[in-house]
Amino acid sequence: EVQLVESGGGLVQPGGSLRLSCAASGFTFRSYWMRWVRQAPGKGLEWVASIKQDGSEKYYVDSVHGRFTVSRDNAENSLHLQMSSLGVEDSAVYYCARDGGIYIDGRYFYYMDVWGKGTTVTVS
Amino acid sequence: DIQMTQSPSSLSAYVGDRVTITCRASHTIGTYLNWYQQKPGKAPKLLIYAASILQDGVPSRFSGSASGTDFTLTIISLQPEDFATYYCQESYDVPRTFGQGTKVEIK
Repeated sequence: EVQLVESGGGLVQPGGSLRLSCAASGFTFRSYWMRWVRQAPGKGLEWVASIKQDGSEKYYVDSVHGRFTVSRDNAENSLHLQMSSLGVEDSAVYYCARDGGIYIDGRYFYYMDVWGKGTTVTVS
Repeated sequence: DIQMTQSPSSLSAYVGDRVTITCRASHTIGTYLNWYQQKPGKAPKLLIYAASILQDGVPSRFSGSASGTDFTLTIISLQPEDFATYYCQESYDVPRTFGQGTKVEIK
């Protein structure tokens, strides 16, 4: 079964740090871009970070740039998000998601086709 | 960054109704548009990618279309399990922006 399971969420004080992890199973993890998406209470979805298959490219939403670091361990089939200088605005459910995709007429279309159940981060 | 504007932000409908949700991109994105469904307390679920292609296992009452920078998600004959929040997302460029969501509620 294709599965993503997040862990590491919890309650942290403003200015603190937290490391989220995502364990992947049931698919060839090293073949996919992976991303973190968050959802603040009662709000919509916000992409946070993405990482290429080999970790050579990383992208972040502006609001976390310089504070969050995404990484992966392909040998362990795991994705991580190191979060520091946390603020109340970072409180959210954090999902990891697989960036699937498909070639259609010479163009590659990305989509997030596998999601974890999420882990909750509360900054207070 | 590309901005995605969804409308309406919420709607009420009866079981059996036809429902249409619209998403407008601030720039041309071709058909690089995905739709997701999210139920309370659950992770989002991919419904449609490339503007109109149904993900495996998604019922055929869901459909997507594109016209320029306007995209539409249509649900014909709304079912009880379709009451949820729906998000569009551009996959044209980083940061792969989401729309703000449309909550579909029971009338």
